[in-house]
Amino acid sequence: KAGVTQTPRYLIKTRGQQVTLSCSPISGHRSVSWYQQTPGQGLQFLFEYFSETQRNKGNFPGRFSGRQFSNSRSEMNVSTLELGDSALYLCASSTGRHPRSYTFGSGTRLTVV
Amino acid sequence: AQSVSQHNHHVILSEAASLELGCNYSYGGTVNLFWYVQYPGQHLQLLLKYFSGDPLVKGIKGFEAEFIKSKFSFNLRKPSVQWSDTAEYFCAVNPSGGGADGLTFGKGTHLIIQP
Repeated sequence: KAGVTQTPRYLIKTRGQQVTLSCSPISGHRSVSWYQQTPGQGLQFLFEYFSETQRNKGNFPGRFSGRQFSNSRSEMNVSTLELGDSALYLCASSTGRHPRSYTFGSGTRLTVV
Repeated sequence: AQSVSQHNHHVILSEAASLELGCNYSYGGTVNLFWYVQYPGQHLQLLLKYFSGDPLVKGIKGFEAEFIKSKFSFNLRKPSVQWSDTAEYFCAVNPSGGGADGLTFGKGTHLIIQP
């Protein structure tokens, strides 16, 4: 069974630009959630999608958005990038049914310069 | 909202020593509890999880954790560590009934095992 695939692995962007990250969950999993990992704040929940609908949302500004497609693949978009958005962005895959267990991808390392 | 506290940010042990990493959570209802490990340069891997039932949970690589409801704790243990256990360890929680906020993580414990 293929794991959670995140692309790209690394990104360098300039302040003010926007970026789109992609996540393909484990086959058969319908839930994808996104997390931001930084040395200062640790791992923070961004949002979760289930069957193309955002189910939960963390405490992040509106510049962070996402969507999920009918094949369960998800994209996360960050607009008007700031230096503080530099982080490892992790995607987690789950069946979406309780109790939920999460499998994480390798992440996308975003550097904003 | 829930919160998770991991008491030790850095732990250094010698090989064969016993390990216990503390984790306390704050939440008014029932929760699911997880321990994840992040080896250098690798992704988060699930060590073990507690949903219900026996509060002593066994995971991979010889790790176990005990859920003590009265103390809101879910401490991770291993009787004898190896050099390969060097990694970052994260405790996480989410409400049993689902709902908002996804997984809430602790700040992590950086474990270094000296040969």
